[in-house]
Amino acid sequence: VELEESGGDLITPGGSLRLSCAASGFSLSSPFSHAWMSWVRQAPGKGLEWVGRLRGGGGGATPEYAAAVKGRFSISRDDSKNTLYLDMNSLTTEDTATYFCAWISKLPSVMTSWGQGTLVTVSS
Amino acid sequence: QSVLTQPPSTSGTPGQRVTISCSGSSSNIGSETVDWYQNLPGTAPKLLIHTTNQRPSGVPDRFSGSKSDTSAFLAISGLQSEDEADYYCAAWDDSLNGYVFGTGTKVTFL
Repeated sequence: VELEESGGDLITPGGSLRLSCAASGFSLSSPFSHAWMSWVRQAPGKGLEWVGRLRGGGGGATPEYAAAVKGRFSISRDDSKNTLYLDMNSLTTEDTATYFCAWISKLPSVMTSWGQGTLVTVSS
Repeated sequence: QSVLTQPPSTSGTPGQRVTISCSGSSSNIGSETVDWYQNLPGTAPKLLIHTTNQRPSGVPDRFSGSKSDTSAFLAISGLQSEDEADYYCAAWDDSLNGYVFGTGTKVTFL
């Protein structure tokens, strides 16, 4: 399993940004793979913070979010590109962080494989 | 403000045993399994222990996990230089309906 995030950028407060996480070594849409995926962030010099998770495996997928981002962030996937997305809206300086995507190998959220992270900086 | 509390730091000498605590509540550690992650500066976190006491393939057996009531523990026996890192506990929280990380503990050599 390999994961590669992209899309991090410098963005002004109130702005929007989409992060991508390209997966290889397994299929997000396969009902036979444990295709739960997660986003985790880490603000500079701070600890880890769970952002949310999405069930894969084909069919409808219902994302779950941390309270801090619910209503502003949205997790989705494109099975044809084997890619996970994090759409972020109404960004504030508190959202400045390195964002990691991770593959959940065991429920509820055991994150076995991680990407290298992509930096989002929210600043005026 | 995390719902899982860890000591900010701990230290030890090479070869020593160190233990990191993770204090939670009945809605997380008290009713769910616990995972531990190792985080080196500038790198992605690494899964160290899952399901409270299971080591993924490739993790040295000097790392072990346990829990009692609403607290979890990570023990590192035979501390080595490469073990200097930040360690985070994590668990699903039934009340928050989300996964929560601990506040993190930095392990350093004396």
